[in-house]
Amino acid sequence: ETGVTQSPTHLIKTRGQQVTLRCSSQSGHNTVSWYQQALGQGPQFIFQYYREEENGRGNFPPRFSGLQFPNYSSELNVNALELDDSALYLCASSLGAGGLTDTQYFGPGTRLTVL
Amino acid sequence: GDSVTQMEGPVTLSEEAFLTINCTYTATGYPSLFWYVQYPGEGLQLLLKATKADDKGSNKGFEATYRKETTSFHLEKGSVQVSDSAVYFCAHYAGRRALTFGSGTRLQVQP
Repeated sequence: ETGVTQSPTHLIKTRGQQVTLRCSSQSGHNTVSWYQQALGQGPQFIFQYYREEENGRGNFPPRFSGLQFPNYSSELNVNALELDDSALYLCASSLGAGGLTDTQYFGPGTRLTVL
Repeated sequence: GDSVTQMEGPVTLSEEAFLTINCTYTATGYPSLFWYVQYPGEGLQLLLKATKADDKGSNKGFEATYRKETTSFHLEKGSVQVSDSAVYFCAHYAGRRALTFGSGTRLQVQP
C-alpha cells in the first residue's frame, strides 16, 4: 500500500502569482483534505473533497480552490498569492466520507515561499 | 467554538525520562481524538487515536486515554529516547470534516 505523496517538495513564487500543488492519495481513499501549516503553528483546515465534490471548507478565501480526480489525485490552487500564504501545505487522505471515526493520513507537504 | 489546547514547549528531557504532554479540548458532541508527530522537515504521522470515552490509544510506547469528564487526552511515555525528539500535535475531529489541531509541543530528548 502506497502512502500519500505530494509535489513539489518546495516552491518559490512571487506575490500576485498563482500556484498549483498536487497530492496523490492512498489507493482506495475517497476523501482528501488540505491543510495550511504556518511556521511554528498547528495545521489549519482549508477544505475537503469526497468523490470529487467539496465536502467542507475552513475559513479561507475563495482564491483557495481545489479539485479531486477519479484516480485519487487532487490539486490545491491558490490565486493572487500573498506573503502570508507562505507555509507548509499538507494533504491528507482518508477512507470514508469524513465521518467522526475516519483517520486522516498525511503526506510530507509542500513548502511554499511567497516573495 | 471548538479548540484544542496543548502545553507549550519546548519540553526538554533526558533519555529514559518520563514524558507527559497535556492536551485539553472543547467540542460539541463526542469527537475522536488524535496525536500526530512531526519530525523535522516532514509531514504529520499518526501516532495514536481514541474514538470514544475511556478508550486508550497506544503506539511505540506512547499512550493517551480519552477522558470525557476532564475533556483531556494527555500523551505519556514511560521512557523517552533521543529518536522521539519531534513536535507533537493533539487534534480532534470537530465536524465540518476538519481536524482541529493544537499549536504543537516540541520535545527535545538529550542523551
